[in-house]
Amino acid sequence: EVQLVESGGGLVRPGGSLTLSCVASGFTFNNVWLSWVRQAPGKGLEWVGRISRKTDGGTTDYGAPVEGRFTISRDDAKTTVYLQMSSLQTEDTGVYYCTTGGHYYGDWGQGTLVTVSS
Amino acid sequence: EIVLTQSPGTLSLSPGERATLSCRASQSVSNYLAWFQQKPGQPPRLLISDTSTRAPGIPDRFSGSGSGTDFTLTISRLEPEDFAVYYCQQYAGSPPVTFGQGTKVEIK
Repeated sequence: EVQLVESGGGLVRPGGSLTLSCVASGFTFNNVWLSWVRQAPGKGLEWVGRISRKTDGGTTDYGAPVEGRFTISRDDAKTTVYLQMSSLQTEDTGVYYCTTGGHYYGDWGQGTLVTVSS
Repeated sequence: EIVLTQSPGTLSLSPGERATLSCRASQSVSNYLAWFQQKPGQPPRLLISDTSTRAPGIPDRFSGSGSGTDFTLTISRLEPEDFAVYYCQQYAGSPPVTFGQGTKVEIK
C-alpha cells in the first residue's frame, strides 16, 4: 500500500522559512517523480512544483508564485522528498500535499498545514 | 499558462441522477487531462487520466471524454458517496500544471 506522510507544517511569520518533509513507502521511491500541490483554505488546488527521478536528471520545476523562494529535493535512501520554503508570504498559507507523479498525481498524502501570519 | 474553466460552479442533483461536468482549456491540451474528486478534509483522489482512463479502483459509472479544449466528466448514476468537489487538471503545458477552479456536486 502506498503511503505518503507529510510533516513540518506550522505557524510562521511573514518572511520566515519552513521545511516540509514527506516520507514515502509502498513503492519503488527512486523510480518515481514527486510533486507538491497546495490548497489555500476554502480554495482550489495549486501546483507548487516537482522533482524528477535521478535517472531523468533529478531536475526541478516550480510554479511562478513560488519560483526562487521554494526548493524541492529528494533523498532516495530515506525515501523522503522535501520542500524548503523561504520568504514566506501570507498567500502561501494552506495545506501542502505531497504526491506521486510529475504530470498527474496518483497518490496523495493527507497534507500538512502551513499558516503564514504575524 | 493554460487556464482551465470548469462549469457549472455548483451542480445540484439527486442520487441516481446523471452528472455532467465540463472543463474548458484556454488552448489545446490534446488528451493530457485528468479529473480528481475531493471530499471535505480529505486529499484529492485521482479518478481519470489521459482524458478517459479510469484510475485503479474507480467505478465504471465515472467516465471522461473530450479532446483539445473541451472535456467532460460524466457520472452515470450518482451514489451518495459521489457528492464532492471535482477538479480537472491539465499537464500538456507541464510545466506548469494547472487545475480548474472546481465544480461542487451537491445533494438537491
